[in-house]
Amino acid sequence: GAVVSQHPSRVICKSGTSVKIECRSLDFQATTMFWYRQFPKQSLMLMATSNEGSKATYEQGVEKDKFLINHASLTLSTLTVTSAHPEDSSFYICSASRGASYEQYFGPGTRLTVT
Amino acid sequence: TQLLEQSPQFLSIQEGENLTVYCNSSSVFSSLQWYRQEPGEGPVLLVTVVTGGEVKKLKRLTFQFGDARKDSSLHITAAQPGDTGLYLCAGDPRETSGSRLTFGEGTQLTVNP
Repeated sequence: GAVVSQHPSRVICKSGTSVKIECRSLDFQATTMFWYRQFPKQSLMLMATSNEGSKATYEQGVEKDKFLINHASLTLSTLTVTSAHPEDSSFYICSASRGASYEQYFGPGTRLTVT
Repeated sequence: TQLLEQSPQFLSIQEGENLTVYCNSSSVFSSLQWYRQEPGEGPVLLVTVVTGGEVKKLKRLTFQFGDARKDSSLHITAAQPGDTGLYLCAGDPRETSGSRLTFGEGTQLTVNP
């Protein structure tokens, strides 16, 4: 299999606080992990690509100082939303690819609500 | 920038009907994936097509990759309410692994009983 987990599944935080979301590949080593954001009834918007042990590559328009990505191991990547604001409320999804495969396996997503 | 145009964006049909979703681009993709996503969950990979002209079947779902590897289609036969969901096509433009995917806008399918 190729199972990817995310934690937490949903989180509510107050404006100005930081929130960390974890993405883990449970049964394989992920050479690359991706972080997406999705608004209701819309497609996925890629935020950044991360490889283990190196800095993440952010998409145009995504603030790297606001969305901190750490890819500490081949099975774990974290996304920290710093100084969250209500407009950061969204569904955040990670995915992972393994070895020579071009397929991505997605986590179940994290619903972030900033009040 | 490579774009994938997916159509239709919304589709509401009755149980038992057939439907086709299209994914088109002016660019060539080394592979193309189809995903299905249900509300509040992550996308689930349905199939990957790699070879131009390739046809893959998954029960009532038939996937086709265009000869030029620029387009793909998903055909569902005798749709059931359980087929309801957001269908996404995604193309990998490069030969190397770990490539970022280009996603279509998605097709929201509703199958009414």
